[in-house]
Amino acid sequence: GQQLNQSPQSMFIQEGEDVSMNCTSSSIFNTWLWYKQEPGEGPVLLIALYKAGELTSNGRLTAQFGITRKDSFLNISASIPSDVGIYFCAGQGETSGSRLTFGEGTQLTVNP
Amino acid sequence: GAGVSQSPRYKVAKRGQDVALRCDPISGHVSLFWYQQALGQGPEFLTYFQNEAQLDKSGLPSDRFFAERPEGSVSTLKIQRTQQEDSAVYLCASSLEWRNTEAFFGQGTRLTVV
Repeated sequence: GQQLNQSPQSMFIQEGEDVSMNCTSSSIFNTWLWYKQEPGEGPVLLIALYKAGELTSNGRLTAQFGITRKDSFLNISASIPSDVGIYFCAGQGETSGSRLTFGEGTQLTVNP
Repeated sequence: GAGVSQSPRYKVAKRGQDVALRCDPISGHVSLFWYQQALGQGPEFLTYFQNEAQLDKSGLPSDRFFAERPEGSVSTLKIQRTQQEDSAVYLCASSLEWRNTEAFFGQGTRLTVV
């Protein structure tokens, strides 16, 4: 089945620093999504990408859909304490219908 | 309500007990998904409904797992004869259209089997 490798597993940064995380897939995806999950809550959609090469921003967040359609990255600029949480990439494959395949998550800790 | 609502939020079951988890999707959303999230892992797909039709149940781990959405709105995920490995957070998500991948998730039900 489809697998997503997400890295890094965890990050400890100082407030104000920029952050970058990425996902790679063993197969082609048609859609890449980035979610944030806080303790006791469900994942919340941050950015959706639909075309290879697409670069999309949402405030301090920027994500790109890789040209090969097998990878995506998420950047967070000028991090703040409320950025703390687990960030998941998710993709929808060519033959997977509407189901999403999720990465294992990147745990972000921001020190004030 | 405005979002996806799941109940109960927490459930403790004795091994062998049957449980039923409920999901109220956003009103008017056609698609409904169930995911299982083990501790420290990303969500894993269980099953998908388009209105009342269960179009994909390939992610259900065993025949002890059963989901239904009889009127195309509320959905129930039932787990029979629970085992310890069933302990996880069960997430429900809904989206407006059948191919819309921008699904909104509920808060989940944390199931602990003892």
